[in-house]
Amino acid sequence: NAGVTQTPKFQVLKTGQSMTLQCAQDMNHEYMSWYRQDPGMGLRLIHYSVGAGITDQGEVPNGYNVSRSTTEDFPLRLLSAAPSQTSVYFCASSWGHASYEQYFGPGTRLTVT
Amino acid sequence: ELKVEQNPLFLSMQEGKNYTIYCNYSTTSDRLYWYRQDPGKSLESLFVLLSNGAVKQEGRLMASLDTKARLSTLHITAAVHDLSATYFCAVDIETSGSRLTFGEGTQLTVNP
Repeated sequence: NAGVTQTPKFQVLKTGQSMTLQCAQDMNHEYMSWYRQDPGMGLRLIHYSVGAGITDQGEVPNGYNVSRSTTEDFPLRLLSAAPSQTSVYFCASSWGHASYEQYFGPGTRLTVT
Repeated sequence: ELKVEQNPLFLSMQEGKNYTIYCNYSTTSDRLYWYRQDPGKSLESLFVLLSNGAVKQEGRLMASLDTKARLSTLHITAAVHDLSATYFCAVDIETSGSRLTFGEGTQLTVNP
């Protein structure tokens, strides 16, 4: 199993550009989430999904869209990038049963100039 | 609004010493997670604590959960340099593990 994969690893955008951060998992996990990590801070939840076709907002959803058309994929879309969205983005997935453990992807480092 | 507070935020300790990191949270929850993060890396799961009184140990690290006090501790025994990292606690306010609220992290440096 590859676990949770994210692409790209690094990205530089200009203010106003849009892009999609990709996240995929091959563990058949129902639950997937997107977090952002800013310097010196813990992770903050952007959006999450409890299954295909079901998404909800987290703590900091503004400026981001998500969709979940398959169990495996959970892309995060930046509609019009702003410098405040410069951050490291982590995708995570969990089975939601037994240990409730979350598995994190390697992260995408995004810079908006 | 759920708040998760860790202390200390910075910890410098000598090899061989013991220390404890504290994680307080503001809302009832039965699920608490501890993660380790090395610079520039992703999060590595250390412990998942699922009930009051839960205690888990792995090597020099031991984590415990007191849901009545809304407190978890991460105890380090006889620290070694390899334990230098940032440690995060996170609280689960859903039943799925899909919606974690994180503390700010404790940056641990173990000096020879």
